[in-house]
Amino acid sequence: GAVVSQHPSWVICKSGTSVKIECRSLDFQATTMFWYRQFPKQSLMLMATSNEGSKATYEQGVEKDKFLINHASLTLSTLTVTSAHPEDSSFYICSALGPMSSYEQYFGPGTRLTVT
Amino acid sequence: GENVEQHPSTLSVQEGDSAVIKCTYSDSASNYFPWYKQELGKRPQLIIDIRSNVGEKKDQRIAVTLNKTAKHFSLHITETQPEDSAVYFCAASNAGNMLTFGGGTRLMVKP
Repeated sequence: GAVVSQHPSWVICKSGTSVKIECRSLDFQATTMFWYRQFPKQSLMLMATSNEGSKATYEQGVEKDKFLINHASLTLSTLTVTSAHPEDSSFYICSALGPMSSYEQYFGPGTRLTVT
Repeated sequence: GENVEQHPSTLSVQEGDSAVIKCTYSDSASNYFPWYKQELGKRPQLIIDIRSNVGEKKDQRIAVTLNKTAKHFSLHITETQPEDSAVYFCAASNAGNMLTFGGGTRLMVKP
């Protein structure tokens, strides 16, 4: 149980275009989801907290107009990278708070974004 | 906000030896401390976690200790095997459930 999926697993896009990444909780409802970014050989950095039915809370330094987050249902959160640039190339990982625990987060498999 | 520091950044051990990774945190309100193993290009995998009301937890070859007073916690892996080679991250969260990760430790187990 507590499986989180992401789609796509990898994407290549041209500079200036937008890319949408989906995060789904497959067998549980997730009121709260999180989005992380991980650059090569670095740690995971929290970008934003996504709560179903309300606006996302962004971490300091993360542009909310560039990284649009929508959590329209209890099983789906989306991250849209708008006007992508090469420096946005990274590994984006979502997670969801588990159904049985108020602590444990279940991670998606990640999305490798490459902006050319 | 929370700040988590992790040491060492790289650790090389001989198969069968023990490995210890240490983390310190800054926010005394943090109450949940998970450890993750991440292989290249994969998602972080929870290997063990501990809550602030417990000082030690063990699961087979893996153990975690927590010192709330000193605000540090450690991961201990005994009888290391080559398949333990990966990057390990500690993390801390508070009631808001937001995880702050340490910088990571690349563990290499030499056969």
